[in-house]
Amino acid sequence: QQQVKQSPQSLIVQKGGIPIINCAYENTAFDYFPWYQQFPGKGPALLIAIRPDVSEKKEGRFTISFNKSAKQFSLHIMDSQPGDSATYFCAATITQGGSEKLVFGKGTKLTVNP
Amino acid sequence: KAGVTQTPRYLIKTRGQQVTLSCSPISGHRSVSWYQQTPGQGLQFLFEYFSETQRNKGNFPGRFSGRQFSNSRSEMNVSTLELGDSALYLCASSSGHNNSPLHFGNGTRLTVT
Repeated sequence: QQQVKQSPQSLIVQKGGIPIINCAYENTAFDYFPWYQQFPGKGPALLIAIRPDVSEKKEGRFTISFNKSAKQFSLHIMDSQPGDSATYFCAATITQGGSEKLVFGKGTKLTVNP
Repeated sequence: KAGVTQTPRYLIKTRGQQVTLSCSPISGHRSVSWYQQTPGQGLQFLFEYFSETQRNKGNFPGRFSGRQFSNSRSEMNVSTLELGDSALYLCASSSGHNNSPLHFGNGTRLTVT
């Protein structure tokens, strides 16, 4: 199964809240899990990434939690700001035919109200 | 360093026509990947080129094709356009090494009428 299931589809929080976006996968061959952030009219941009041998990674206000046994990972945004309003995609990398392929979740549209 | 450049930004075509989209990667990047983005299906992988060779291919019909030139610039072609091909087409470049981050362009918005 080369799918990454992402939830929720949309999320609205107040400024200062902690939105949490969850992703799950089945294929244990996935070996790298990046998150991308996309603003309207722009391409996705890498936000943060984690390898499956690490349970948590923080970069600024963004934290990835990774549960290898449950095959789940999540993004937490601390002290969220209106400028964080964007669509967030989780992804997973799989190696095929000697090269990597990135499989994306379907995205979460986050709105942070002032 | 200039980012990934995609041209044109917008295209309107008629069913049955063909279209060519262009992508200039970040200088020094040898890998170019193409993705189709739609509201219903999200981001779907089309193909990846590395040093002028297609290294990987997604599950799209043969109407979708691509190529990469010696300067790493890439083109994507869609023939016999269908209404369902309307989407944002994104190009991403990377060094091509394991787990190297993808750098996306801002896409070409294709509308098929």
